[in-house]
Amino acid sequence: LAKTTQPISMDSYEGQEVNITCSHNNIATNDYITWYQQFPSQGPRFIIQGYKTKVTNEVASLFIPADRKSSTLSLPRVSLSDTAVYYCLVGDVDTGGFKTIFGAGTRLFVKA
Amino acid sequence: DTEVTQTPKHLVMGMTNKKSLKCEQHMGHRAMYWYKQKAKKPPELMFVYSYEKLSINESVPSRFSPECPNSSLLNLHLHALQPEDSALYLCASSQEGQSSYNSPLHFGNGTRLTVT
Repeated sequence: LAKTTQPISMDSYEGQEVNITCSHNNIATNDYITWYQQFPSQGPRFIIQGYKTKVTNEVASLFIPADRKSSTLSLPRVSLSDTAVYYCLVGDVDTGGFKTIFGAGTRLFVKA
Repeated sequence: DTEVTQTPKHLVMGMTNKKSLKCEQHMGHRAMYWYKQKAKKPPELMFVYSYEKLSINESVPSRFSPECPNSSLLNLHLHALQPEDSALYLCASSQEGQSSYNSPLHFGNGTRLTVT
C-alpha cells in the first residue's frame, strides 16, 4: 500500500500562494493522486485529483513530476478560510482502489 | 451541505446501549465507506462496501457491525462500546474504487459519538 508523507504544518499569509508537497515513493502504476481539505467537525472535501503532469481546477493546481514519486498541491492567493488540514492520498491498486488510507495531513494556518 | 447525509449529528450512549448510525447517498455510487476519526488525527478506514457487499473490514472489533441494506444506505450498528470509541464517525461514497478509477470520495459531515 503506497504510503504518503507530508509536512505536519505550514503557515502562510492572506494573498500568498501556498505549495504543499506530498511524497509517495512506491505509488503504483494505476494509482491516481487525490487531495482533500478538511475543516474542523466536517468531513473531508475533495479538492483535486491527477495522474501525471499538471491538473488545474477553480480552486487549486496539482503538479506531478514524470516519476510520480511526489506531487505538489498549489493554492493560489489563500484566504483565512483556507485554514484547514490538507490530505494527500494514493490508492491501493490491489483492492481496486477501495483501501483509501489517509496520511497524517498538513495543517495549514493562514494569517491576516 | 453535502450529498452524503449522516444521522444523527451527535450521539451520546452508555456502554451497555445499542445504537445505530445511518448514512444515505443518492448519487448512484456503488461503494460506501465508514471511517473513524479521533481529534487531530486523520480518518481511519473501518469498512468498505462495494455493490452492497462487504469488501474490506480493517480488523474492526465486533462491537461495530456494518450493514448495507441497499445501494443508497449504509448503517453502523453499535453495541457495548467503550469510552475510547468516542470519535467522529464519517461515511463516504464513491463511484468505484477511489484512487485507481478516478473516483473521489464524497464524505458526509459525520456523527460525533460520545460513549459514557
